[in-house]
Amino acid sequence: DSGVTQTPKHLITATGQRVTLRCSPRSGDLSVYWYQQSLDQGLQFLIQYYNGEERAKGNILERFSAQQFPDLHSELNLSSLELGDSALYFCASSLYGSSYNSPLHFGNGTRLTVT
Amino acid sequence: GENVEQHPSTLSVQEGDSAVIKCTYSDSASNYFPWYKQELGKRPQLIIDIRSNVGEKKDQRIAVTLNKTAKHFSLHITETQPEDSAVYFCAASNTGTASKLTFGTGTRLQVTL
Repeated sequence: DSGVTQTPKHLITATGQRVTLRCSPRSGDLSVYWYQQSLDQGLQFLIQYYNGEERAKGNILERFSAQQFPDLHSELNLSSLELGDSALYFCASSLYGSSYNSPLHFGNGTRLTVT
Repeated sequence: GENVEQHPSTLSVQEGDSAVIKCTYSDSASNYFPWYKQELGKRPQLIIDIRSNVGEKKDQRIAVTLNKTAKHFSLHITETQPEDSAVYFCAASNTGTASKLTFGTGTRLQVTL
């Protein structure tokens, strides 16, 4: 168990809808990262937060947004969902803002299916 | 931004043989190179990492080598076992404020009996 908790495990929704994915980092970790993994694809970086502030942004669509709350948990909001958004969404956390000094530990992911 | 290429995409070896997976990166500022193992339907797990101040690191049956000049690094698994079967991802990042990990596309390793 990595200590990173993601909910829900599975989510099935229809096109056009909006969903929220939640992540609780390991105790003491200040950074949260979100990655998207489509079927048989690699891990695409979406966004990173460090101690409540956005630290880095990747290929995150404008329909997607995220935030990190004062208790350090994070939420990823996906709106106007399309079939192509179906994927496994991973959250990872690390102690510091730089992965160099503190490795990333991944949660078990949320599998999103858009029908 | 950083681009990481990984080869091969699939690799099949017999139990007991060695497996080598290679990655190249584009950003000369990258200085941290972890490897993750992802079993089917599970989360990626860190198995070994190397920083740019060393050229090689070993942990039991796995080792990673880094060639900063050529901007490539490799994962070596010796005496492979069936439980080594998984998808392996290499990644790269730097110590900058936006030090996101950029992942390679993954290598599916199959260890056959």
